[in-house]
Parts: sequence; structure tokens; C-alpha cells
Amino acid sequence: AQKVTQAQTEISVVEKEDVTLDCVYETRDTTYYLFWYKQPPSGELVFLIRRNSFDEQNEISGRYSWNFQKSTSSFNFTITASQVVDSAVYFCARMYYTGANSKLTFGKGITLSVRP
Amino acid sequence: EAGVAQSPRYKIIEKRQSVAFWCNPISGHATLYWYQQILGQGPKLLIQFQNNGVVDDSQLPKDRFSAERLKGVDSTLKIQPAKLEDSAVYLCASSSRYRANYGYTFGSGTRLTVV
Repeated sequence: AQKVTQAQTEISVVEKEDVTLDCVYETRDTTYYLFWYKQPPSGELVFLIRRNSFDEQNEISGRYSWNFQKSTSSFNFTITASQVVDSAVYFCARMYYTGANSKLTFGKGITLSVRP
Repeated sequence: EAGVAQSPRYKIIEKRQSVAFWCNPISGHATLYWYQQILGQGPKLLIQFQNNGVVDDSQLPKDRFSAERLKGVDSTLKIQPAKLEDSAVYLCASSSRYRANYGYTFGSGTRLTVV
């Protein structure tokens, strides 16, 4: 199986620190999509960011930024000036297609704790 | 737009009992997914529907799990009989058939505890 690996399991930071969440993926596909989801204690998976395999341009959206590097199969996610409300489990996910059907697979998640 | 609705929110049952979960996807979303998320792990796809047809159920333990999506809208996931290892959060998600690559929308999940 083509895995998504999140080597970090738990990260604890103090509010206002920057934090980077790592993600490494395996793929044999030319076309694929990468995602980051946030899962707060309420349990719902909340979409954060998306990147397709043809666009390696890194972007910033508010306090979020991401670094996509196909050469190392990495898709890292950074939160700048973290806040207590950022405390959650963060999942990296990869989507590929088999025929017309999409398949979204997740890493094991990183638990982020932001202390006041 | 309304999100993906799931019920119940929590369920505690004894092993060997049966349980059912319900999901109502976003209106107009043709594709519906059930994921199982065991504590400390990422969600794992159990079954995927396209309208009312099954697209992928390769990871569904068919000896005890079943799912249906009548009329291509609501879906029900059933476990009978439940085992201790079925304790998990069951997440339902939906997507537009032609915009799935923009991501799925997930419900809040049903947390199942089997004792």
C-alpha cells in the first residue's frame, strides 16, 4: 500500500511559537492530491489545505503555510504564531484515483498541544 | 450549506450486540464514504458508495459489518455482532462526484465503545 507517514506523534509548544508538522508520502501516481485536515476534540475532520501534484508552489494562507517538495515526497505544514485553539490532531492525507473513483488515505496523525 | 449529519453521537454496547449508525450527506453529493478511526490512528476507509451502488468495500469486514445507501441519499452502517476491537469513531463523509479532488466533507462521527 502507498503509505502516508507522519513520523511525529505528539508536539507540544507554547502559544505564539511556530510549529511545523511533517508528512512524507509514497506514490506511484503522476496525478495525486495532498491534504491537511484538523481534528479538534469535537471529532469532526476539518479541511485545511490542498495541493495537487502539478503545483509545487508553496503558499501562505493566514497563519498556515505549506512546503510541498516532490523530490523528497514531503508535504509539511506550518502554523505560525500558534494559538491554544490550534490544539488538535492533524492528519496528512493523499488522494489518488482508480478509474473514476477517488481514494483518500490518511497518516496516523500528529497531536498538537499549544500551551498558554 | 448543511454539513454531513451523523447519529448517534455516542454509543456504548456490549460485545455480541448489534448497532447501527446513520449518515445524511450534503445535499447533491453523489459519493458517500464510511471511515473507521481507531484511537491513535488515522481514519481507514470501510466502504464507498457512488449514488446507491458500492464502489469499494474491500476493507469492510463483511462477516459482521454491512452498509446500505437506499435511494442514493442516507446511509446506514451496521455491526452485528460487535467485537471489542470495533471500538472506534465511525466517520461518514461525502463528496461531489466530479469535485472529490477538492476534498471530502466529514461529519462529526459516532464514537462506539464495545464493552
